[in-house]
Amino acid sequence: AQTVTQSQPEMSVQEAETVTLSCTYDTSESNYYLFWYKQPPSRQMILVIRQEAYKQQNATENRFSVNFQKAAKSFSLKISDSQLGDTAMYFCAFLLGGGGSNYKLTFGKGTLLTVNP
Amino acid sequence: GAGVSQTPSNKVTEKGKYVELRCDPISGHTALYWYRQSLGQGPEFLIYFQGTGAADDSGLPNDRFFAVRPEGSVSTLKIQRTERGDSAVYLCASSPEQGPYNEQFFGPGTRLTVL
Repeated sequence: AQTVTQSQPEMSVQEAETVTLSCTYDTSESNYYLFWYKQPPSRQMILVIRQEAYKQQNATENRFSVNFQKAAKSFSLKISDSQLGDTAMYFCAFLLGGGGSNYKLTFGKGTLLTVNP
Repeated sequence: GAGVSQTPSNKVTEKGKYVELRCDPISGHTALYWYRQSLGQGPEFLIYFQGTGAADDSGLPNDRFFAVRPEGSVSTLKIQRTERGDSAVYLCASSPEQGPYNEQFFGPGTRLTVL
């Protein structure tokens, strides 16, 4: 079974600054995908960024980028130029690739990020 | 276009009662998923539908939980003899098809409170 660990229950950052959220995972599989989801107070989970394990290049989406360290099983999210609208719970998630249960997302417990003005 | 919708937004019930939670997926999405998010936790997988059939219900906690998707679109999660431990946010998601290349789009969830 796969596990996802987010060791930072809460973090805060000043507007316009950069913040990094940590995530580690455990799996014996080699084909998998990693995601960061944002959950604002509205409760709707929104996909922020995804990373395929077979890709060495770190994914980026505008102000969001990841540091994917496959050997260390680490997948951190960096948010640059933080905005007030970035305030939300952030969840790291794991998904198997290939056949089998390649639809069952496994989530961490989340990190509550607060962006201060 | 319209996203995934869930009704009701909030549901308060008494222990022992029966509840139904509804999910309207994005039109044309064949895959539908239910997750449960307890307080302070990330979502946990409950069940996955491909079309009308439940392809994987391994996450349902016990036989008080049941879900249907009779016409391959709307899905209903049914909980019998509710217990206080069932209190959580129930999230529904849909995707065009199953598989890691298909993003799961989530609804806003139903917050169930069992008194």
